[in-house]
Amino acid sequence: GEDVEQSLFLSVREGDSSVINCTYTDSSSTYLYWYKQEPGAGLQLLTYIFSNMDMKQDQRLTVLLNKKDKHLSLRIADTQTGDSAIYFCAESPPRSSASKIIFGSGTRLSIRP
Amino acid sequence: EAGVTQFPSHSVIEKGQTVTLRCDPISGHDNLYWYRRVMGKEIKFLLHFVKESKQDESGMPNNRFLAERTGGTYSTLKVQPAELEDSGVYFCASSLTGRLYGYTFGSGTRLTVV
Repeated sequence: GEDVEQSLFLSVREGDSSVINCTYTDSSSTYLYWYKQEPGAGLQLLTYIFSNMDMKQDQRLTVLLNKKDKHLSLRIADTQTGDSAIYFCAESPPRSSASKIIFGSGTRLSIRP
Repeated sequence: EAGVTQFPSHSVIEKGQTVTLRCDPISGHDNLYWYRRVMGKEIKFLLHFVKESKQDESGMPNNRFLAERTGGTYSTLKVQPAELEDSGVYFCASSLTGRLYGYTFGSGTRLTVV
């Protein structure tokens, strides 16, 4: 079946790195995504990675993909208070309708001083 | 360019009442999607329009939910009659090409059924 799993909460100290982990079920997914939802705001696409890549870096963000283990992670370097949000892992399995994205439950990232 | 706009941002209704949510996609975006997040769980797909046609409505939970997109512009999602388990955040998204990384989401409508 289609299932994306991630832990519900993560707390890190300001300035440290945050690592949010996710597992997905469909090994044929072509795209994997990280979305961010800040309080009162919509879902913002943070980054995505093609399934033929194993790493993507964009400024403070690093995405690692382990296709063998169906594991995706998002590392945020030098975590700031503005990074407080819910982070959703998502996949787009080709066996599903081409139109939909499968989301996880979201990881709430909180920053402590 | 204006983003995806959803109205209202919040709605509190009593069980059994009717509520209509509206989504205005980005102008020119043929693809429009509805998703919802119930009780802090995962965000689930509801349906996908291409212009005014329903491309995929496999995620619609039951026949109390009716989505329309007359004229291929804005869309409405009506819940009638609303039940307690319908409470959650309803997100709309649009895209130009249908490519999934091209989604733009709205801020969502928080629906509370009491």
